[in-house]
Amino acid sequence: ETGVTQTPRHLVMGMTNKKSLKCEQHLGHNAMYWYKQSAKKPLELMFVYSLEERVENNSVPSRFSPECPNSSHLFLHLHTLQPEDSALYLCASSQDLTLSQPQHFGDGTRLSIL
Amino acid sequence: EDQVTQSPEALRLQEGESSSLNCSYTVSGLRGLFWYRQDPGKGPEFLFTLYSAGEEKEKERLKATLTKKESFLHITAPKPEDSATYLCAVQYSGTYKYIFGTGTRLKVLA
Repeated sequence: ETGVTQTPRHLVMGMTNKKSLKCEQHLGHNAMYWYKQSAKKPLELMFVYSLEERVENNSVPSRFSPECPNSSHLFLHLHTLQPEDSALYLCASSQDLTLSQPQHFGDGTRLSIL
Repeated sequence: EDQVTQSPEALRLQEGESSSLNCSYTVSGLRGLFWYRQDPGKGPEFLFTLYSAGEEKEKERLKATLTKKESFLHITAPKPEDSATYLCAVQYSGTYKYIFGTGTRLKVLA
């Protein structure tokens, strides 16, 4: 398998549920990212990891909790979400934070909060 | 505040009707500019990277160009399968962050 894989592709959850999004990259990259994509808005950077260390937490509410156990895997743990959190969540990876290289994206998880 | 603005917001073309999409940026110290294509229900797919003014990149019917304040994505003789949202992202000096535009939704009619 190649590229960046995200699971699940779709998720519907209530405001009191706890769920996790998973991302796996097979590109040998050192940096991984979480983005939120909402209609008619630019991609919104949430978290950045470099070699499993978090280097960015872009003022994201604590109901979103990232985890990067190794350089190939990234998780986003969700709990007590709000309706405005409904969006497409995209994972991306790039070679290295020090290089100006393109990011490669997964197909995202479409999240709906009831 | 650094911004990336894409225009038009939406574009409808007849098959074979060439046009250009614009990405303008107010960024000091451009490090790199990236074009992506995004299909419905999919993540952005990387197309091109441009690093300096005057640079051009081509792929099939697409050609990306860069000046000191904007980039164009030229689409020559488009086909219906070129229909997608095209995103532009800018990375500036001193940071690893990428600033994305809101995209241009392109529809090519047969």
